[in-house]
Order: sequence, then C-alpha cells, then structure tokens
Amino acid sequence: DVKVTQSSRYLVKRTGEKVFLECVQDMDHENMFWYRQDPGLGLRLIYFSYDVKMKEKGDIPEGYSVSREKKERFSLILESASTNQTSMYLCASTPLGGAQETQYFGPGTRLLVL
Amino acid sequence: SQQGEEDPQALSIQEGENATMNCSYKTSINNLQWYRQNSGRGLVHLILIRSNEREKHSGRLRVTLDTSKKSSSLLITASRAADTASYFCATDVGGGATNKLIFGTGTLLAVQP
Repeated sequence: DVKVTQSSRYLVKRTGEKVFLECVQDMDHENMFWYRQDPGLGLRLIYFSYDVKMKEKGDIPEGYSVSREKKERFSLILESASTNQTSMYLCASTPLGGAQETQYFGPGTRLLVL
Repeated sequence: SQQGEEDPQALSIQEGENATMNCSYKTSINNLQWYRQNSGRGLVHLILIRSNEREKHSGRLRVTLDTSKKSSSLLITASRAADTASYFCATDVGGGATNKLIFGTGTLLAVQP
C-alpha cells in the first residue's frame, strides 16, 4: 500500500514564526503536491514538484516555499506565519504520468496560527 | 469560480437510500476523478473516468461523464452510515508528465442510520 505521512496532525504556531511541514512517501513517486483546504474553497494547490530539486508554483504560492532534496520528502515552509495561513494542509504524491493518475494523500496537518 | 463544482453542497439521506452527487467543470479534461474525505482526514481516491468513457462502476459506486455538458455524477447505491463523508470531484487538466488536479468544493454527505 502507498503510504504518505505528514509530520504533524495538529500544529499551533505564533504569527511570524517559521513553520516547516514535512511530507514523506514510500512508493518512489516522482510527483508530490502541497494543498491547503479551507471551508467553502475546497483544495487549492500551493506548490508541486515533479522531481528532486524541481518545483512549480500552484495556484496560491504566496507566503510559502518548498524544498525537495530527496525524492521521498517534500517540505512546505511558511517563512513568516500569518493568521490567514491557518488551514488544513494536505500533501499528495503520484507516479509520473501514464495511466497511474491517482493522487495518494497524507492524513493532513491542521495548522493554527495565533 | 472553481473548475469543478459539486452539487449539492450538502446531502442528508437515510441508510439504504441512494445518494447522487453532481460535478460540473469548465474546460476540456483528460479525466475526472472522485475522492472521499472522512472528517478531518486526507482524501481517498474512489474512481477515475477518462474523457472517452461515459460510465464506470466500482462496487456500489457508479460514475457517469457527459463531456458535452461538462458534467459528471457519482451515485452511491444502498448507502451506509460509513459512507458519511465529503466527496470531491477533481479534473485533470495537465499536459505531459505532471498530472495536476483541480478539485471542486465538495459535497458533504450525511447518511442517517
């Protein structure tokens, strides 16, 4: 079974703190994604990566950065957390293209910024 | 507005009844997927239907796709309390090797025992 894990289920941080959200997948997937989920807005793509050290902006990259130093790990970084970044963050991974287009999600990290 | 929009936003039914959710989208797609999310958890893939397919079944799930109307429906037959969850459609609008999905806002299904 594909397993995608996220470092924390719940996280509370203060405004201005630097926040790291970690995601690890164990299926050698090329593509990894970070989404945030807010009520009434669904899932919105923040960043994605299709290879080590490669990254592309999604729909809402402002205020975020990412790092992919190893194939299995994709980190989301909030350089200076703000209250409007309080949200549910979901990581996903998928193999490279072809017929395998299902995205496999982690359990999510619920971040509260005070 | 969203590429994929589900309708209704919320649905409450009794156990044993069928549940139907609809998804509309705006641009041409490669495929359309349905996901389920239990409260506070990650999303789980349910079914994928390609743009050249019209109907697909998986257990109690039936998905239809009408590309002329840019819409899809998800039917859950003989619903169970465990089907209570949010359901999202997602459209694949990516090209090449990266399959980027655009998710709708979801339908919240409550199945009353």
